Amino acid sequence: DGGITQSPKYLFRKEGQNVTLSCEQNLNHDAMYWYRQDPGQGLRLIYYSQIVNDFQKGDIAEGYSVSREKKESFPLTVTSAQKNPTAFYLCASRTGQTNQPQHFGDGTRLSIL
Amino acid sequence: GIQVEQSPPDLILQEGANSTLRCNFSDSVNNLQWFHQNPWGQLINLFYIPSGTKQNGRLSATTVATERYSLLYISSSQTTDSGVYFCAVRGGSEKLVFGKGTKLTVNP
Repeated sequence: DGGITQSPKYLFRKEGQNVTLSCEQNLNHDAMYWYRQDPGQGLRLIYYSQIVNDFQKGDIAEGYSVSREKKESFPLTVTSAQKNPTAFYLCASRTGQTNQPQHFGDGTRLSIL
Repeated sequence: GIQVEQSPPDLILQEGANSTLRCNFSDSVNNLQWFHQNPWGQLINLFYIPSGTKQNGRLSATTVATERYSLLYISSSQTTDSGVYFCAVRGGSEKLVFGKGTKLTVNP
């Protein structure tokens, strides 16, 4: 969706490396989310943040970390503790008003070298 | 937590045919969205429809919240409709729960 920028589109990680995926939105949305998608599967929630300087774990947070220092930015770090990081990662955001839809970026494909 | 089941898992159509995709969910929801994921992975919002009926061109959707299901209708399908269609719901938490999707292939 327009207004949510994820970078890079493709990322390669060596064993033992941490990598950071960028997500920026200019929609003035309060809440931001990170999802992981494996082949043939739906999306699963990694972390989410409803306000600046606050975030919560989703269903599969182990091996990942996030920060929310600015309203428009929600970077995701895939740490070396994540043993199976190869996946498609999608960032989303939504306004803080009740019951509003989430809008998604175009995703980052992460692969292990 | 909420469970989401989509059917059918795979659907193959000839161009011009109509189709209905179904999404069942296990609990009351505050939010239901239909998405189309194209071959490049982009997730496109189709409908935000926690209840009622909406139409957008050849696509329409109906959610019957009291019976815990939603239907996505595609009429006069085109090859560009190919991809995976996801239903996602949100209950009392912040989490959006996705089904496994329906993979649609439209042949010319």
